[in-house]
Amino acid sequence: GENVEQHPSTLSVQEGDSAVIKCTYSDSASNYFPWYKQELGKRPQLIIDIRSNVGEKKDQRIAVTLNKTAKHFSLHITETQPEDSAVYFCAASNNFNKFYFGSGTKLNVKP
Amino acid sequence: KAGVTQTPRYLIKTRGQQVTLSCSPISGHRSVSWYQQTPGQGLQFLFEYFSETQRNKGNFPGRFSGRQFSNSRSEMNVSTLELGDSALYLCASSRVRTGTNYGYTFGSGTRLTVV
Repeated sequence: GENVEQHPSTLSVQEGDSAVIKCTYSDSASNYFPWYKQELGKRPQLIIDIRSNVGEKKDQRIAVTLNKTAKHFSLHITETQPEDSAVYFCAASNNFNKFYFGSGTKLNVKP
Repeated sequence: KAGVTQTPRYLIKTRGQQVTLSCSPISGHRSVSWYQQTPGQGLQFLFEYFSETQRNKGNFPGRFSGRQFSNSRSEMNVSTLELGDSALYLCASSRVRTGTNYGYTFGSGTRLTVV
């Protein structure tokens, strides 16, 4: 089955800096890669996703890149703000709606 | 529109008991998935239901089971509870279209504590 690895497990940045979280996957059949943000005590929420026919996608301060050859994808957050502090999960899925999640990255944005 | 609704929000059970958790998906979402979230293990996939059929299953013992009703609502059952079953159980629903995946919308979860 699919195996998704996520790094780093914790990330601390200064407000205004950029943050990058990286994930690798093993199954070349995976074609959909969502990212979720989970604030303390709340549900995970979808923040951005990318499909395998696209190399990059942006939404305001958030961007995701995908390298199918190397089987890795990354989340980029620019101009970080304290409200970006949360745990971020990457995931990979094929067409059968089974998602494999990374182990999560705890992002701390220091004011 | 209403989000994914999970009940109850909190539950305390004794070892050996059984428990049933409920999930009502977003209207129109026919796929319902269940996850166990613990601090050390992250998000672990339990199973996914679509059209009242279990379509995908994770690596959990048979004590964990589920079902889906014709209105897409789903229930999850855990029998013979163990201390290690203490966790946040998240339900997630999504649209389904052949050949295309869509992201999940998660419920707020049921916090199960086994004592």
